Amino acid sequence: RKEVEQDPGPFNVPEGATVAFNCTYSNSASQSFFWYRQDCRKEPKLLMSVYSSGNEDGRFTAQVDKSSKYISLFIRDSQPSDSATYLCVVGNSGYALNFGKGTSLLVTP
Amino acid sequence: DTEVTQTPKHLVMGMTNKKSLKCEQHMGHRAMYWYKQKAKKPPELMFVYSYEKLSINESVPSRFSPECPNSSLLNLHLHALQPEDSALYLCASSGQGNSPLHFGNGTRLTVT
Repeated sequence: RKEVEQDPGPFNVPEGATVAFNCTYSNSASQSFFWYRQDCRKEPKLLMSVYSSGNEDGRFTAQVDKSSKYISLFIRDSQPSDSATYLCVVGNSGYALNFGKGTSLLVTP
Repeated sequence: DTEVTQTPKHLVMGMTNKKSLKCEQHMGHRAMYWYKQKAKKPPELMFVYSYEKLSINESVPSRFSPECPNSSLLNLHLHALQPEDSALYLCASSGQGNSPLHFGNGTRLTVT
């Protein structure tokens, strides 16, 4: 069983839609949670860290439910510029982070 | 703009060549990483240096040899690579454990 699992998509949505990405992880000792965005042929870029109380940054909201080992990312009023692959990343102890396979999003005008 | 700088951006090498990838960060991070990424796959961890010492080697073949000359620099020496080693090689750095990774913009390597 993979440590971090994501629906690969692709998610094709019209501009303005709300998008929800979900991710599950297997290690109950996991301590840190992140969402990264990766554009085609570019490096992953940190979108947001995910805090236990949930957090919001503009149109983006992230949540983690440690009891069910479930992480989510919501994008409100999606824009064509949001089109990318979104990677769920989970950290256990130390420096090793586990990446999900990523979910591809295409927002059409 | 990325705060982790990688050179070169692109590299084409033959199977008998020796080359090096370079990475530099000036964020004061004490952990530095090499990842390999193939198309449509997530990054795969290769090596982690913590306080300039190799702390994780994910069973990487010896044709890849990492080096950390100081806390700001990380190199990856390449020798006798195979065509299947062609990929995007990403350097990253982070603060203390459980901190997010900051990636460089990668070196796209082609082995012919």
